[in-house]
Amino acid sequence: EAQVTQNPRYLITVTGKKLTVTCSQNMNHEYMSWYRQDPGLGLRQIYYSMNVEVTDKGDVPEGYKVSRKEKRNFPLILESPSPNQTSLYFCASRGSGAAHNEQFFGPGTRLTVL
Amino acid sequence: DAKTTQPPSMDCAEGRAANLPCNHSTISGNEYVYWYRQIHSQGPQYIIHGLKNNETNEMASLIITEDRKSSTLILPHATLRDTAVYYCIVRVASGNTPLVFGKGTRLSVIA
Repeated sequence: EAQVTQNPRYLITVTGKKLTVTCSQNMNHEYMSWYRQDPGLGLRQIYYSMNVEVTDKGDVPEGYKVSRKEKRNFPLILESPSPNQTSLYFCASRGSGAAHNEQFFGPGTRLTVL
Repeated sequence: DAKTTQPPSMDCAEGRAANLPCNHSTISGNEYVYWYRQIHSQGPQYIIHGLKNNETNEMASLIITEDRKSSTLILPHATLRDTAVYYCIVRVASGNTPLVFGKGTRLSVIA
């Protein structure tokens, strides 16, 4: 089954404790991205990656890092989480060429930073 | 600087057609119209997209006006499971152009 998976689905942590949210897709997609969703602000893109070892900032990259060492994985790293990073996070992927139109989203990770 | 305008909410009776409008008066010639929906904090789900012709798939139909300044997503027989926030997005279908989500329309299907 074609899918994007994220782990963990729920996480409560404390300010300053480094964490990583993993994202993996099984569709051999080149493009992957991370979004955060906050009430009243909608979905905003954090980082994206066009392919392995190619990443770039989205609209709200501050406080986040990403890496793309393998095509299937695109982890989101919070080196020193702060309460304003409490949010619902989505990873997404899409293919290139004729498959570029449909973007697949993961189930979401609900992060709370105390 | 939203590129699309949608009503914040709509209701639809179960079994009836749900018609969700979207205005995109500044759409460029190479921009497509995409529709996604999000069911209660799940990941957004792709529904359909089109450039200028009407499109239909197993989920919905997309009607784009001739001047391409507006479109309508049609769910032909809405069910309770179609209750969701529906997003209309215009985007160039190439490269790294991201999906930019606005506030969408919250569709409530009522039994």
